[in-house]
Amino acid sequence: NAGVTQTPKFQVLKTGQSMTLQCAQDMNHEYMSWYRQDPGMGLRLIHYSVGAGITDQGEVPNGYNVSRSTTEDFPLRLLSAAPSQTSVYFCASNAGTAYNSPLHFGNGTRLTVT
Amino acid sequence: KQEVTQIPAALSVPEGENLVLNCSFTDSAIYNLQWFRQDPGKGLTSLLLIQSSQREQTSGRLNASLDKSSGRSTLYIAASQPGDSATYLCARRGVQFYFGTGTSLTVIP
Repeated sequence: NAGVTQTPKFQVLKTGQSMTLQCAQDMNHEYMSWYRQDPGMGLRLIHYSVGAGITDQGEVPNGYNVSRSTTEDFPLRLLSAAPSQTSVYFCASNAGTAYNSPLHFGNGTRLTVT
Repeated sequence: KQEVTQIPAALSVPEGENLVLNCSFTDSAIYNLQWFRQDPGKGLTSLLLIQSSQREQTSGRLNASLDKSSGRSTLYIAASQPGDSATYLCARRGVQFYFGTGTSLTVIP
């Protein structure tokens, strides 16, 4: 009963490097999203997807790319890491249009950019 | 901007006390209101979800209420325990999910 799985748990990057944060869910959820959590800022939406092949920008999309080729996977790509992207990243999913469907979170990826 | 505010930002109570956490939001267009718990270094765990047509939900010692007209939700924790120590976040579901910054709760044995 995995739920939402994120990898890696920790990552250190140098400025300018690129990487992909992985997110997979096994609940057949339509809706998947990426958030970043920073002290005093709460959770901010980066990108989201309402189904395979459909993605859209959230509140803070700059510097990040996403794709949704399957229902299960929603990777987040950092194109050229910057120190401002140091944060904890959470992937979340829910059943989309079912408004009684709770949002499920992964355990997060702690990213440090030096 | 869709504002969700949680007051207080931090709360410390002795074990056994009943307590109330507050969540307020500025947009009454709401599909549901969800309460989460976050332990240090961990992800968010869903506690309760109140649909817009409901007034409250209960799970064990937790009771969450929703008043759309005033833009408020409360999370009531009965007979608090040290294991309840965590950060509690609320999220309003409109077009997207909009999160508060949380209340950090410490229950002192």
